[in-house]
Amino acid sequence: GDSVTQMEGPVTLSEEAFLTINCTYTATGYPSLFWYVQYPGEGLQLLLKATKADDKGSNKGFEATYRKETTSFHLEKGSVQVSDSAVYFCALSETSGTYKYIFGTGTRLKVLA
Amino acid sequence: DTGVSQDPRHKITKRGQNVTFRCDPISEHNRLYWYRQTLGQGPEFLTYFQNEAQLEKSRLLSDRFSAERPKGSFSTLEIQRTEQGDSAMYLCASSVPGGPYEQYFGPGTRLTVT
Repeated sequence: GDSVTQMEGPVTLSEEAFLTINCTYTATGYPSLFWYVQYPGEGLQLLLKATKADDKGSNKGFEATYRKETTSFHLEKGSVQVSDSAVYFCALSETSGTYKYIFGTGTRLKVLA
Repeated sequence: DTGVSQDPRHKITKRGQNVTFRCDPISEHNRLYWYRQTLGQGPEFLTYFQNEAQLEKSRLLSDRFSAERPKGSFSTLEIQRTEQGDSAMYLCASSVPGGPYEQYFGPGTRLTVT
């Protein structure tokens, strides 16, 4: 079945450091891909998405490119802030039917001032 | 846009008791999903509604679990005879018709079974 694999955390960075969180997927067909962020005590918020190969999703300085050839959707940010500390989830959506999500296990990011 | 709301936010219950959670989706969203998230894990799909019809249930949804969406608006998730293994965050999400569009998540209901 479909699956998503994320790099394990926690990831600890200093403020203004470069961030990469790896995400790879296994799926039949061409799923849509998403990154969600979960701040402490809050629900999941959509960060960015891509619906087809070579699409780049971007939001709030975060970027991710849908790479079909490597089945990857790595999250990047050039300069992280303390306020980016959260748990980040990579997810894919089925290509038909219910369009339910398959999530990765999440990567906790801690940014130090 | 009031977003997806869930009630209660926290529930503590004793093993063997029944609990019911409510989800109010964004008003124009006809698709509604329930997920369960345990500590340190990503959310896992439980069940899906399109309008009032429950179209898919995960094998995670044992016979003790039942979900409804009367009139295609709010949804309820009931767990009967709760077990300690049911302790988790229960998330509700909704999306517009068609797909695959992004899902909007509620804040979740944290269930603790003692």
